[in-house]
Amino acid sequence: QQQVKQSPQSLIVQKGGISIINCAYENTAFDYFPWYQQFPGKGPALLIAIRPDVSEKKEGRFTISFNKSAKQFSLHIMDSQPGDSATYFCAALNQAGTALIFGKGTTLSVSS
Amino acid sequence: EAGVAQSPRYKIIEKRQSVAFWCNPISGHATLYWYQQILGQGPKLLIQFQNNGVVDDSQLPKDRFSAERLKGVDSTLKIQPAKLEDSAVYLCASSDLAGGYEQYFGPGTRLTVT
Repeated sequence: QQQVKQSPQSLIVQKGGISIINCAYENTAFDYFPWYQQFPGKGPALLIAIRPDVSEKKEGRFTISFNKSAKQFSLHIMDSQPGDSATYFCAALNQAGTALIFGKGTTLSVSS
Repeated sequence: EAGVAQSPRYKIIEKRQSVAFWCNPISGHATLYWYQQILGQGPKLLIQFQNNGVVDDSQLPKDRFSAERLKGVDSTLKIQPAKLEDSAVYLCASSDLAGGYEQYFGPGTRLTVT
């Protein structure tokens, strides 16, 4: 019930294409769903986050789509660029409102 | 605004030795977190502080790990004695919000236990 399942494990997208990363959760008490971007040797950086009372949130080229009934959410990166090549983690805030539960990550490579 | 600072960036020790990591959160952030990130996995929370009090340390291996946040600002995480399976990146994060929202991470300390 405390898991967040992320897919795919790795993703290769052409420059200008759309990158889509999916996550699923089981605990309906989760109420905050952020996405983090991590470059090698760096800490995760908060990219975008959503609460379950909205179905979509867009910030620049990054969009979160949220399906509360299916307990799924996804990150869409429009017009993907080589600089977007990184590992992306989805996460969910646990029931106690303390620990972020992270997925296992998706390594994105954008080819030029 | 300066980000979360951590030191050292890298540390190599032998098993059964002790090691300490230091974190300085973003100025004004009352909430501080320590995470462990094993290669190929997402970060896992070890301990959360609100000011200088512990909010959640349920996943901290207390027989070997300890952490403190004196004066509610800087924090140190210690491992004594280290095991091979402690090899990981130790990340510190901070937030100016209670409840786990909007956490900002430092660059981490990569620990290798040989």
